[in-house]
Amino acid sequence: EADIYQTPRYLVIGTGKKITLECSQTMGHDKMYWYQQDPGMELHLIHYSYGVNSTEKGDLSSESTVSRIRTEHFPLTLESARPSHTSQYLCASSGIEVSRNIQYFGAGTRLSVL
Amino acid sequence: KNQVEQSPQSLIILEGKNCTLQCNYTVSPFSNLRWYKQDTGRGPVSLTIMTFSENTKSNGRYTATLDADTKQSSLHITASQLSDSASYICVVSDRGSTLGRLYFGRGTQLTVWP
Repeated sequence: EADIYQTPRYLVIGTGKKITLECSQTMGHDKMYWYQQDPGMELHLIHYSYGVNSTEKGDLSSESTVSRIRTEHFPLTLESARPSHTSQYLCASSGIEVSRNIQYFGAGTRLSVL
Repeated sequence: KNQVEQSPQSLIILEGKNCTLQCNYTVSPFSNLRWYKQDTGRGPVSLTIMTFSENTKSNGRYTATLDADTKQSSLHITASQLSDSASYICVVSDRGSTLGRLYFGRGTQLTVWP
């Protein structure tokens, strides 16, 4: 079982609210990722980080932002949530074995914006 | 364009039966291919990972094959159990970047009936 945790597991909020999805890992991994997944669809990379103070945008454009102040923590923030942000958000991390890049996933946060 | 296609989209089998899931990819340059199992409402969990030189890998009742020439992979599940009900996702990694970018299929939704 991977030691990567996401909170909350479920979140229902109204339009315009600011939200932060938390992600923490205790494996000491340098690389961390955020994916967005709609039902029956593939995962899309929206943000990633190589390490502390490093953040990059992924393949899928997202209005969310991320920060990496500590190795173990990679929160995702939406300043003003909209119904189009309704989705499942998955956080992942990987270690130094770059050639294999085995990513360990959290359980996800299912976000519903009304 | 780098893509991963999976078939069938969904599959229903009876408990105890075997099944095979298919994955075709166009990702280049190829680094490795992994199969993930994703239970409903959970994050994906890695089942197997294969590099270019490996053509088969087993993990209990799960056996994955890889034909790097035809860019095809399969996941065979033997003696299925109710707990095998999940989405099985084929993921291909390229070696064209330091990130080791992952390309996700949409998954095959497997349902095992008693």
